[in-house]
Formats: sequence, C-alpha cells, structure tokens
Amino acid sequence: QKEVEQNSGPLSVPEGAIASLNCTYSDRVSQSFFWYRQYSGKSPELIMSIYSNGDKEDGRFTAQLNKASQYVSLLIRDSQPSDSATYLCAVDYMKTSYDKVIFGPGTSLSVIP
Amino acid sequence: DTGVSQDPRHKITKRGQNVTFRCDPISEHNRLYWYRQTLGQGPEFLTYFQNEAQLEKSRLLSDRFSAERPKGSFSTLEIQRTEQGDSAMYLCASSGIGWSSTDTQYFGPGTRLTVL
Repeated sequence: QKEVEQNSGPLSVPEGAIASLNCTYSDRVSQSFFWYRQYSGKSPELIMSIYSNGDKEDGRFTAQLNKASQYVSLLIRDSQPSDSATYLCAVDYMKTSYDKVIFGPGTSLSVIP
Repeated sequence: DTGVSQDPRHKITKRGQNVTFRCDPISEHNRLYWYRQTLGQGPEFLTYFQNEAQLEKSRLLSDRFSAERPKGSFSTLEIQRTEQGDSAMYLCASSGIGWSSTDTQYFGPGTRLTVL
C-alpha cells in the first residue's frame, strides 16, 4: 500500500457546485495533513493544513480529517473555473529517523463554466 | 521577493553531462527540502536539510545525486552523468523556524530538467 493515495481523476464539476477531493494514508501515527493546489506548470501552494479530527473551514474550502479511518478530504464550495488545478494531499510520515511529508499523486479537478 | 527562488528555471542537457541547480530558501527558514516531480505524480522526496546538516536522503537518490547546504542558507543539487530518466521538475521547499519539521513548506518555482 502506498503511503498516500488519491483518486487521480480527472474530477469534473460544474461551476458553482461542490467539489469533493479524497485522500487516504497508511501511517497510523501521522499527525499533520496538508492540501496543496498546483496549477499546470507551476509549483504547489498550500491551501489548508489540519491536525485534529473534524472539520476546518477557510473561505470556500473545508478540510475534514478522520484519523480512525485514516482519511482526509477537501471540499470546495461554489467551485470556480479558477479552481481547476491538481490538488495534492500531503501527510507527515513518521517511520524514519526524521519526520517528513509525503505527497499523494494528486487529483486533477476541472470546473466547467 | 522574499519567497523561495530556484535557478535555473529550465535546463536542457545531453545525456552524460553534469548539472547543478540552486535553491535560495526563505531567509528565516532553517529547513530545506528537495523534491522531484514527474508528469501526473506528486512531488517525490529526495533529501532534507536542517540548517547545514543533511538529515535524510531518499533511497531513490542514486550516487549520481548530491546535495549541499554549506552555510545553512542556499542549497545546491548536483546530478552527475545525467540520464534520460532524470528528466523531471526539481522542486525546492523551505519551512520552519521552530522544532517541527512538518511546518508548512513553501515551494520555489522549480527547475525543469530535460535530458536529451
């Protein structure tokens, strides 16, 4: 099992709809979870971080974490064409001497006007 | 601009040549990471520095790859005897003024390497 898994997509949603992006991880002791957005040809930029079970909201974005299920998701409300990008889930990985962050393969989101 | 910078932005080289990339992190950050990203994949961890110490190096990094951060500021990544499989985007990120190595990482624009 890969450390961080995401559906590769593409995920297509109409403008104004809710986009739901999912991520599962294998390391049960992971404590820090991040969602990055990456536009084509650009570098990743942080959208949200979450550390505790439950929901965390920031504007149109809501991150949801369930450590028991080893699952983290990102909801994007009122999706806009400018949200079209690849969304990367990143999870801290504690099974080495020094903790680091492991990225999933990303989910490609397309918001259709 | 106080973000992470990388140089060059693009590099085209012939197989067998050596290449060196530079990363300048955000000035107050003490941690610096190198990643490699190929099309359709997430960033793949290569190596990690805390100040000038290289604390971890991925098993994926062959002996042809070496990284330095001599004064705990900028870092260089060198690839010797490049192969076509080395073609990728090489990303640098920096983080942290505290103890946690899972502070938010801020990425540079990347260096796109093409090996002919």
